[in-house]
Amino acid sequence: NAGVTQTPKFRVLKTGQSMTLLCAQDMNHEYMYWYRQDPGMGLRLIHYSVGEGTTAKGEVPDGYNVSRLKKQNFLLGLESAAPSQTSVYFCASSHRGLEQYFGPGTRLTVT
Amino acid sequence: AQSVSQHNHHVILSEAASLELGCNYSYGGTVNLFWYVQYPGQHLQLLLKYFSGDPLVKGIKGFEAEFIKSKFSFNLRKPSVQWSDTAEYFCAVNGLNRDDKIIFGKGTRLHILP
Repeated sequence: NAGVTQTPKFRVLKTGQSMTLLCAQDMNHEYMYWYRQDPGMGLRLIHYSVGEGTTAKGEVPDGYNVSRLKKQNFLLGLESAAPSQTSVYFCASSHRGLEQYFGPGTRLTVT
Repeated sequence: AQSVSQHNHHVILSEAASLELGCNYSYGGTVNLFWYVQYPGQHLQLLLKYFSGDPLVKGIKGFEAEFIKSKFSFNLRKPSVQWSDTAEYFCAVNGLNRDDKIIFGKGTRLHILP
């Protein structure tokens, strides 16, 4: 099992550009999450999904959109990137609300 | 409001010292509790978890944590740390309902001197 994978691992964007981060899990988990991690701020939940076709806002959803068209995939979109979105993004999945399994992260820099 | 507080932001210890990292939470109802570890440049991994039963739980790599319900605490301990324990440690809590979200603390950065 690959567990949770994220694509890409690194990306540099210019302000105003758009991109999509892909998260995939092969554990048949119902729940999936997107977090951002910034120094001194811990993990902050952006959006999450409790099942295929459903999404919900987390703590810091502004500037991001998500989609969960298939159970195994959870996409995070940035429509118009801003320097404040420079961060490391982690995807996670869990069986119901139990322990989460994290992906390797995507390091995004917006210039 | 739901929250998790980790008292120590940065801890520096020498090898073989004992470790205790504090974690207190505010969350209504029955909770599940977790400690995650993030080694430098890596993603978060589960260290240990408490769902119910014996409040003293043992995790990987010699770590343990004790759930004290009356104090809303879930402190992480290790009797003798190693250089390889250098990492950031996150305490987390969630409820048992479908829509309950997991709340993470801001993390404690542990640095072990060789």
